[in-house]
Amino acid sequence: KNEVEQSPQNLTAQEGEFITINCSYSVGISALHWLQQHPGGGIVSLFMLSSGKKKHGRLIATINIQEKHSSLHITASHPRDSAVYICAVKGFGGGSNYKLTFGKGTLLTVNP
Amino acid sequence: NAGVTQTPKFQVLKTGQSMTLQCAQDMNHEYMSWYRQDPGMGLRLIHYSVGAGITDQGEVPNGYNVSRSTTEDFPLRLLSAAPSQTSVYFCASSYALAGGQETQYFGPGTRLLVL
Repeated sequence: KNEVEQSPQNLTAQEGEFITINCSYSVGISALHWLQQHPGGGIVSLFMLSSGKKKHGRLIATINIQEKHSSLHITASHPRDSAVYICAVKGFGGGSNYKLTFGKGTLLTVNP
Repeated sequence: NAGVTQTPKFQVLKTGQSMTLQCAQDMNHEYMSWYRQDPGMGLRLIHYSVGAGITDQGEVPNGYNVSRSTTEDFPLRLLSAAPSQTSVYFCASSYALAGGQETQYFGPGTRLLVL
């Protein structure tokens, strides 16, 4: 079973700060997802990565397959970025193609 | 498109009662799944389906049944509710794009309280 660890568990930032959230996993994967969950519960997919880097607006996600590590960066953070950010990984082959293993999430609070 | 819908939003059950959590998607997605989310834990996979008529167990399947008679619907049945099944339940769907890309779409969740 893949162990997915996120750090930090909680993060408080001032508006405008650069944010980094980390995700490490124990077993090789075929893909990694970053998700966002706002208070009230709705979960939204941000990125899916299998290599390299992706950017969407102020969000940047990177993955290092050799080091089994991914980071989610938020530039020029804003109070509306306050949410729980969740990392999830997918394995190789058979049923693992369809199963996601999730980290516990990072609670981000951005103060004005 | 309505996306992924779940009903009910909130439910209170007594121990031993049975109920069905409904999940539907209108995006013609092949893959659907059910997760539970508990405080201090990551989302955990209960059951999943890779198409109509095909289901399989996830990480925490005990006490739950699923079926997939159509592409659109993937109901989750609690056979005999227990307090340990108090949780928030999320349904999700996805499909694989060319190049292996995919996006997960989540429903709004169902909060279940078992007394």
